[in-house]
Amino acid sequence: ETGVTQTPRHLVMGMTNKKSLKCEQHLGHNAMYWYKQSAKKPLELMFVYSLEERVENNSVPSRFSPECPNSSHLFLHLHTLQPEDSALYLCASSQDPLWAMNTEAFFGQGTRLTVV
Amino acid sequence: EDQVTQSPEALRLQEGESSSLNCSYTVSGLRGLFWYRQDPGKGPEFLFTLYSAGEEKEKERLKATLTKKESFLHITAPKPEDSATYLCAVPLDTDKLIFGTGTRLQVFP
Repeated sequence: ETGVTQTPRHLVMGMTNKKSLKCEQHLGHNAMYWYKQSAKKPLELMFVYSLEERVENNSVPSRFSPECPNSSHLFLHLHTLQPEDSALYLCASSQDPLWAMNTEAFFGQGTRLTVV
Repeated sequence: EDQVTQSPEALRLQEGESSSLNCSYTVSGLRGLFWYRQDPGKGPEFLFTLYSAGEEKEKERLKATLTKKESFLHITAPKPEDSATYLCAVPLDTDKLIFGTGTRLQVFP
């Protein structure tokens, strides 16, 4: 256990469904991240929140909508997804922004998403 | 363009057979590099942070080194439990962490 918990672990959804992924950390970290991991591709940063404010939106389609209600919780709201959105979605947190290099990212176990 | 490349893509080793994984990068203003380990179905797990060229870090059978252009993860006398995908990552100014595609290591008894 890394201290970062993601739910659900697995999710199958239709293209017209709306679902949400949840991430929770009780490490006292100030930054939280959503990453997408597809087969044969590097981890792709989707969103970064620092002190509950979004600081990075890496050209992610609007069908993905993040929410950070407080420093311990991060959500990824999904709607009208496409089959190519099927992937492992990873949440991570760090004490400080990663560019500072005085901290590392702690990752959750991920949500395996399948869009049918 | 900022880029991180890892090689080989996959590596099969006999238990006890030492080897090295490579991570090369082209980024401006490198401030350091991370190594992570990822087991199947799990999120990456932090291994090392390297801050400057010439630095080395060790943990059990793993040793990470850094030059101005690349980093190596040396595995000495690996065991089957070392089997995993090893990822390197480089941070950018925008709090973006660029990952390589990883090296999938399999160690056979």
